[in-house]
Amino acid sequence: DAGITQSPRHKVTETGTPVTLRCHQTENHRYMYWYRQDPGHGLRLIHYSYGVKDTDKGEVSDGYSVSRSKTEDFLLTLESATSSQTSVYFCAISESGVTEAFFGQGTRLTVV
Amino acid sequence: TQLLEQSPQFLSIQEGENLTVYCNSSSVFSSLQWYRQEPGEGPVLLVTVVTGGEVKKLKRLTFQFGDARKDSSLHITAAQPGDTGLYLCAGGDYKLSFGAGTTVTVRA
Repeated sequence: DAGITQSPRHKVTETGTPVTLRCHQTENHRYMYWYRQDPGHGLRLIHYSYGVKDTDKGEVSDGYSVSRSKTEDFLLTLESATSSQTSVYFCAISESGVTEAFFGQGTRLTVV
Repeated sequence: TQLLEQSPQFLSIQEGENLTVYCNSSSVFSSLQWYRQEPGEGPVLLVTVVTGGEVKKLKRLTFQFGDARKDSSLHITAAQPGDTGLYLCAGGDYKLSFGAGTTVTVRA
């Protein structure tokens, strides 16, 4: 199994509070991705990274920011959580960006 | 609007029947990937198709990439309850995007 860990696995937070989700990999893969999964929408790309300090927006990036200061860590931050950001968040890694993506176990976030 | 459109959204069939899931786009892809996801888990890659017209087989699963590299299909022969899951197609160099998925339920 690919070495990819998400933390926390579950979180309940209040509207308006900041939240940071962490993705850690031990595979030294260049590409890292954050997705959210909601019923009927499959996986939607939030942000992705193609190297340390190199990131780009996905299709649903509003309200989210990311940072990658080390190859192994990719952080997703919700600056001020809203109820519409209640979702399951998945991190994924890929060696080249065109090869297989490996996924973490997911983080279930509930904003109340 | 998602770049990749999957159909149908839901499929419920009896064990032993065949099924086909479709993945369509108006864009050309250099490759398409198919993933399967079980509840509480992340998606896992089934196959990558690269060449237009390519057909790949994985036991009872047959994957086809359209000649124009804009669409793909997944066909399962003699489905079994273990095939139950969410099937997702994905494409896009570096910026990997997914379709909305097809939830397949195979009844025993």
